[in-house]
Amino acid sequence: AQSVTQLGSHVSVSEGALVLLRCNYSSSVPPYLFWYVQYPNQGLQLLLKYTTGATLVKGINGFEAEFKKSETSFHLTKPSAHMSDAAEYFCAVSDSYGQNFVFGPGTRLSVLP
Amino acid sequence: DTGVSQDPRHKITKRGQNVTFRCDPISEHNRLYWYRQTLGQGPEFLTYFQNEAQLEKSRLLSDRFSAERPKGSFSTLEIQRTEQGDSAMYLCASSLAGTLQETQYFGPGTRLLVL
Repeated sequence: AQSVTQLGSHVSVSEGALVLLRCNYSSSVPPYLFWYVQYPNQGLQLLLKYTTGATLVKGINGFEAEFKKSETSFHLTKPSAHMSDAAEYFCAVSDSYGQNFVFGPGTRLSVLP
Repeated sequence: DTGVSQDPRHKITKRGQNVTFRCDPISEHNRLYWYRQTLGQGPEFLTYFQNEAQLEKSRLLSDRFSAERPKGSFSTLEIQRTEQGDSAMYLCASSLAGTLQETQYFGPGTRLLVL
């Protein structure tokens, strides 16, 4: 069975500062890992995903994440925050067949001017 | 590819009424998922279909909930005798099974408020 924890339900950063959103997972099989973003009253949009291959994954809007198997982590980063990045971010894990898709509780990112 | 669409976007109903939501997946996708999301939480899996077959149901899906995908295209989620605890965002997602890098694409959701 898979599970996801996201440290920090709310993260605030200043505009232009580094964004770091933490995700740790538990999986009994090699995981597929995802980050989704959700803007208010909207559905989820895929930011990036890790399946196999390169452990540093680049996504949309300047975000990237690194899969670290030894740490069971998949933290999301962006070098410089923009006001438009303010949203809820969800980390998710599934098995390699897209089954057992489990979301973390989410981290709300606020960007301060 | 117009993405996943859901209808209605918002629904307000009185306790005890029945409601039905519709999801239209990305046209070539054969898997369709339903999730429920309450305020401040991540989406919770409810059920999924591969083509017209319902392959898995969460224990969250009480017998008041029923989902169908009769022709393997659009799907409906019906909630009978709604309760205030059913108030949530209901999300639909679709994917193409059989690909090694299967990814779920989400619709905008239907927000349900039960008074």
